[in-house]
Amino acid sequence: DAGVIQSPRHEVTEMGQEVTLRCKPISGHNSLFWYRQTMMRGLELLIYFNNNVPIDDSGMPEDRFSAKMPNASFSTLKIQPSEPRDSAVYFCASSSQGMSAGELFFGEGSRLTVL
Amino acid sequence: QKEVEQDPGPLSVPEGAIVSLNCTYSNSAFQYFMWYRQYSRKGPELLMYTYSSGNKEDGRFTAQVDKSSKYISLFIRDSQPSDSATYLCAMSGTTGGSYIPTFGRGTSLIVHP
Repeated sequence: DAGVIQSPRHEVTEMGQEVTLRCKPISGHNSLFWYRQTMMRGLELLIYFNNNVPIDDSGMPEDRFSAKMPNASFSTLKIQPSEPRDSAVYFCASSSQGMSAGELFFGEGSRLTVL
Repeated sequence: QKEVEQDPGPLSVPEGAIVSLNCTYSNSAFQYFMWYRQYSRKGPELLMYTYSSGNKEDGRFTAQVDKSSKYISLFIRDSQPSDSATYLCAMSGTTGGSYIPTFGRGTSLIVHP
């Protein structure tokens, strides 16, 4: 079974550029999460979708960040314009309500560096 | 104060040692307690989960939850170099019917041969 697939694995860009991160959740999972991980702050929840609908986006740091889930098998996280402080590893995770509460399946992450 | 506190380490131990990893938390609504393991440049993977207080054992790993003290622990017996990873505690409770885990910062563990 394929796990959560994220792309790109690595992205280096310059300040001010648009960044789009992509995620394909595990087939059959109906919840999708975007997290950001840094050394200083650890793993922070940015936004959570349930059945393709955004439920909680209170973790999105500012209007430069946006996320969409147009269908059950695809989601994007966009940063426009990007800033050096956005440098982090961004993880996508999915889960099924039928599974253990709180059990998330993570992708391998997208490592973003903004110069 | 963060909802979940975890010492980032690193914690360095010799092979075969017993390892103790801990987290404290402040939200008494947490009911599910989890430990995720994250290898370098990989995503976290669920290692163990427990509901409410008590102990749970799985091979060399034992998870303990003390809700009265708001303190959870993960013990690793006979630690191996392959256990070297970052261990993140996570906790969740009902939020509008959905269980969204809150993670600690993670403790980096190094087991040297």
